[in-house]
Amino acid sequence: TQLLEQSPQFLSIQEGENLTVYCNSSSVFSSLQWYRQEPGEGPVLLVTVVTGGEVKKLKRLTFQFGDARKDSSLHITAAQPGDTGLYLCAGERQGAQKLVFGQGTRLTINP
Amino acid sequence: DAMVIQNPRYQVTQFGKPVTLSCSQTLNHNVMYWYQQKSSQAPKLLFHYYDKDFNNEADTPDNFQSRRPNTSFCFLDIRSPGLGDAAMYLCATSRRGTGRVDTQYFGPGTRLTVL
Repeated sequence: TQLLEQSPQFLSIQEGENLTVYCNSSSVFSSLQWYRQEPGEGPVLLVTVVTGGEVKKLKRLTFQFGDARKDSSLHITAAQPGDTGLYLCAGERQGAQKLVFGQGTRLTINP
Repeated sequence: DAMVIQNPRYQVTQFGKPVTLSCSQTLNHNVMYWYQQKSSQAPKLLFHYYDKDFNNEADTPDNFQSRRPNTSFCFLDIRSPGLGDAAMYLCATSRRGTGRVDTQYFGPGTRLTVL
């Protein structure tokens, strides 16, 4: 059973379009992190969200943590080819001392 | 810049020949993690050190061992690599403490090939 369900697993869109990636769970997380990973490299931290209902923006990327801290979303506006990569959500459950990863979303932005 | 460094970036070994991967960090974080990541999958935690305390995941094979001689360095030893151990190995660090969010920072990874 996957603790963090990430969707979609694959997404290929044209440059300039908008997209949303979802990360859902039935468990409550004390924090949730989003990473982007490019081929042959390690995951790079994009954002950490901690408070239920929290919204954080990173240029064209908007991250939201659900009110109940069970889900999160990543919205990209006007996607660019440089946004291509594997996007991973990872949650920390209270007291668990380790991250639970979603399956990842492989995003391709076509010029 | 403070960072997580992994060496080598690419490692080729032969079936059954021991190999050691290294990780160092300049972040002064108290926790260091080792993950295995296979193609297009999420990283899988192998074990982690919280200061000097070693925490092994239940499903990590005995073939994998780790050492942390000091705060800055951590090693992953694969005693007898099999073909199924070919993967990207990721080191990560975090600063864990009461009331702190346990955000993990990853190194660039070591790509292991087993011939």
